[in-house]
Amino acid sequence: GAVVSQHPSWVICKSGTSVKIECRSLDFQATTMFWYRQFPKQSLMLMATSNEGSKATYEQGVEKDKFLINHASLTLSTLTVTSAHPEDSSFYICSARDRVDTQYFGPGTRLTVL
Amino acid sequence: GESVGLHLPTLSVQEGDNSIINCAYSNSASDYFIWYKQESGKGPQFIIDIRSNMDKRQGQRVTVLLNKTVKHLSLQIAATQPGDSAVYFCAEKKGAYGGSQGNLIFGKGTKLSVKP
Repeated sequence: GAVVSQHPSWVICKSGTSVKIECRSLDFQATTMFWYRQFPKQSLMLMATSNEGSKATYEQGVEKDKFLINHASLTLSTLTVTSAHPEDSSFYICSARDRVDTQYFGPGTRLTVL
Repeated sequence: GESVGLHLPTLSVQEGDNSIINCAYSNSASDYFIWYKQESGKGPQFIIDIRSNMDKRQGQRVTVLLNKTVKHLSLQIAATQPGDSAVYFCAEKKGAYGGSQGNLIFGKGTKLSVKP
């Protein structure tokens, strides 16, 4: 089946720094990618929808200037957490949707901000 | 039995028993539903899906039941195994019949714990 990868799988950073997370669809083209955040023992919350070549659509309450999303190609979307703070520590999961509207999830990235 | 923790309901079953995980969805306009399995530290893994024109669908050891009248979805796992221990999420979406109108909305999740 289709594979979505994320890099890095985990990252620890200091407060105030920026962190970039990559999401790649390895064997299909994804016109749309999604970014989710998941806190411990909670469900996945959609942060934003990323369409190739256009601006991302952010969900209510998600700061677009803090969570920068770039979807430069049909196989790559990046999420940059700018000026990260401890409350941004979470599990970030991306998914990619193929041309027949099937959504595949990545393995997630664990972000810890000290 | 089933218990509700601080955030995540937990279902404990004995190995070999059948498990039933329930989900109440929110949008009566949703027409596509998916069950995902999420192991600790990993992304969600697709288990089975169902469209609103069906009320039952079977896979290998799993069955999904849909009751649109009460907006209820259930996942049945037959002969539960230790490897089934994970958190299970239902997800709903509008736009099953062509187009991509809606995004997946995830339910709260249920932690399944299988005792050997």
